Amino acid sequence: GAVVSQHPSWVICKSGTSVKIECRSLDFQATTMFWYRQFPKQSLMLMATSNEGSKATYEQGVEKDKFLINHASLTLSTLTVTSAHPEDSSFYICSARDHFRDRGRETQYFGPGTRLLVL
Amino acid sequence: RKEVEQDPGPFNVPEGATVAFNCTYSNSASQSFFWYRQDCRKEPKLLMSVYSSGNEDGRFTAQLNRASQYISLLIRDSKLSDSATYLCVVNDLRGDTGFQKLVFGTGTRLLVSP
Repeated sequence: GAVVSQHPSWVICKSGTSVKIECRSLDFQATTMFWYRQFPKQSLMLMATSNEGSKATYEQGVEKDKFLINHASLTLSTLTVTSAHPEDSSFYICSARDHFRDRGRETQYFGPGTRLLVL
Repeated sequence: RKEVEQDPGPFNVPEGATVAFNCTYSNSASQSFFWYRQDCRKEPKLLMSVYSSGNEDGRFTAQLNRASQYISLLIRDSKLSDSATYLCVVNDLRGDTGFQKLVFGTGTRLLVSP
């Protein structure tokens, strides 16, 4: 199956710093990328959907100025958590979809996730 | 009401047992359905899609009842390696953007013991 990587796999930072997480599709062109967040013992919650070259669509309740998403190429999307606070500590997971290869299906390929701890 | 509801478990079963998980979803317009498996501190991985006609993949059988908005997963002959959290996932079409969106349940935890 398709491979999606995320970097870094974990981050520990001080409150107030900004953290950038990269999501890369390694062997396909990701026309759409998704960013999820998962708190302990809770379900994955979609934060935003981004299509290459256009602005991300954020889910209700997700601050677009706090969670900056850039999908500048067909293989890379970044999520920047600006001025992170302890309540932003979570498991951030990206996924990617290849419309051309998976036309008619809804296959999303998930990255391994990034665990963020804000002190 | 949650969009996708599952019994969180845990389900503790011995090796070789048969175990069934259920899931209900609230959006009658949901388009497609999946079971994912998530191991501790890992990303979810697609286990199988779910079709109205029912489908089977080895020891795993999935069923969908659109009228009742109900999805099930049956695991036969449980293995130790089946221990994980099983996520019921529904694919919805967003009316505002036309994008498709996966909606995840909180998962049902399965523990298979020797």
